[in-house]
Amino acid sequence: KAGVTQTPRYLIKTRGQQVTLSCSPISGHRSVSWYQQTPGQGLQFLFEYFSETQRNKGNFPGRFSGRQFSNSRSEMNVSTLELGDSALYLCASSLGQTLLNTEAFFGQGTRLTVV
Amino acid sequence: AQKVTQAQTEISVVEKEDVTLDCVYETRDTTYYLFWYKQPPSGELVFLIRRNSFDEQNEISGRYSWNFQKSTSSFNFTITASQVVDSAVYFCALSFSYNQGGKLIFGQGTELSVKP
Repeated sequence: KAGVTQTPRYLIKTRGQQVTLSCSPISGHRSVSWYQQTPGQGLQFLFEYFSETQRNKGNFPGRFSGRQFSNSRSEMNVSTLELGDSALYLCASSLGQTLLNTEAFFGQGTRLTVV
Repeated sequence: AQKVTQAQTEISVVEKEDVTLDCVYETRDTTYYLFWYKQPPSGELVFLIRRNSFDEQNEISGRYSWNFQKSTSSFNFTITASQVVDSAVYFCALSFSYNQGGKLIFGQGTELSVKP
């Protein structure tokens, strides 16, 4: 059974550019969440999606957006990149409606570097 | 406010030693869930345990055990007879109320180094 797949694994972008990260959940999982991990701020919640609907959003500026497709795959987009957006972006999926009361499986993340 | 504190930033032990990772949480909700995740160098977070606020039973899984004490708002994790493969960053996390869904509040993590 394939795990959570995130692409690309590594990405280097220039300030001001925009980027799209992709997450394919485990087959059958309909809930997807995104987290940003940085050395300074640690792991911070970005979004949660279930059945193509955004259920929750973290405290991030509007430059961060996301969506979920009918096949449960999810993308997140960051526009007008800043140096501080450099981070490991992790995606998690779960079988249940939320990560709250079911086991969540995380991908290996996308390492974004903004120069 | 919801908060998770892992006061130990780094711990270094020698193989076969027992080690306890501390986790203290803050929440005003009566219904919440606590989690532990392991993050090896490869980056993905590996789920270890989930415990809801109404279940204070301690749990043991092989060399791993967890002590949940609501009276002290703590959810500590003990590895018995540590092994080199246990070296990783360990995160404690809190999630609260069903409507908040999958929003996990993570602690800052404890980096465990097990030396041979």
